[in-house]
Amino acid sequence: EVQLVESGGGLVQPGGSLRLSCAASGFTLSSYWMHWVRQGPGKGLVWVSRINTDGGSSTYADSVKGRFTISRDNAKNTLYLQMNSLRAEDTAVYYCARDGTVRYSDAFDIWGEGTMVTVSS
Amino acid sequence: DIQMTQSPPSLSASVGDRVNITCRASQSVTTYLNWYQQKSGEAPKLLIYATSSLQSGVPSRFSGSGSGTDFTLTISSLQPEDFAAFYCQQTYSIPPTFGGGTKVEIK
Repeated sequence: EVQLVESGGGLVQPGGSLRLSCAASGFTLSSYWMHWVRQGPGKGLVWVSRINTDGGSSTYADSVKGRFTISRDNAKNTLYLQMNSLRAEDTAVYYCARDGTVRYSDAFDIWGEGTMVTVSS
Repeated sequence: DIQMTQSPPSLSASVGDRVNITCRASQSVTTYLNWYQQKSGEAPKLLIYATSSLQSGVPSRFSGSGSGTDFTLTISSLQPEDFAAFYCQQTYSIPPTFGGGTKVEIK
């Protein structure tokens, strides 16, 4: 079964750090670009970051640029999101998602179940 | 960034109703427009990609249309399991942006 499973969320103080992981199974992670998307409490979906297949290229939303770092370990079939200098407004469920490639108009065809990050003192 | 505007933000409908949700882009996204369904407490699920292509396993009562800046998601006959939030997304340019969502509730 094709699956993404996030972990690493939790409660962190403002200014703190957290690293999220996304374990992929049922497909070859190295063949796909990957994304992180977040959803604040009661809010809509917001794209956070993406990374290409070999990890050599990444892009970020302006709101997280310079604070978050996306990376991947294809040998471990795992995607990461290192989050530093966290703010209250970063509080959200964080989803990892697979880019379906041009075959699917780059739509996000597989999503993890999400991991909650709460930034609060 | 391309802004995506969905309407209505919410709607109430009955089982069997035909439902239309619209999505407007601030500039042309050609056909790089996708739709997702999100049930309460769950992850989003891809319904339609490239404006009108149905993702595998999605019921045929869902359909999509449009091009350029104006798009529509249609549910031909609403079923009990369809009550959820729906989001459009453009993947024409980076950053990929989502609409604000439309919550479909039971009347």
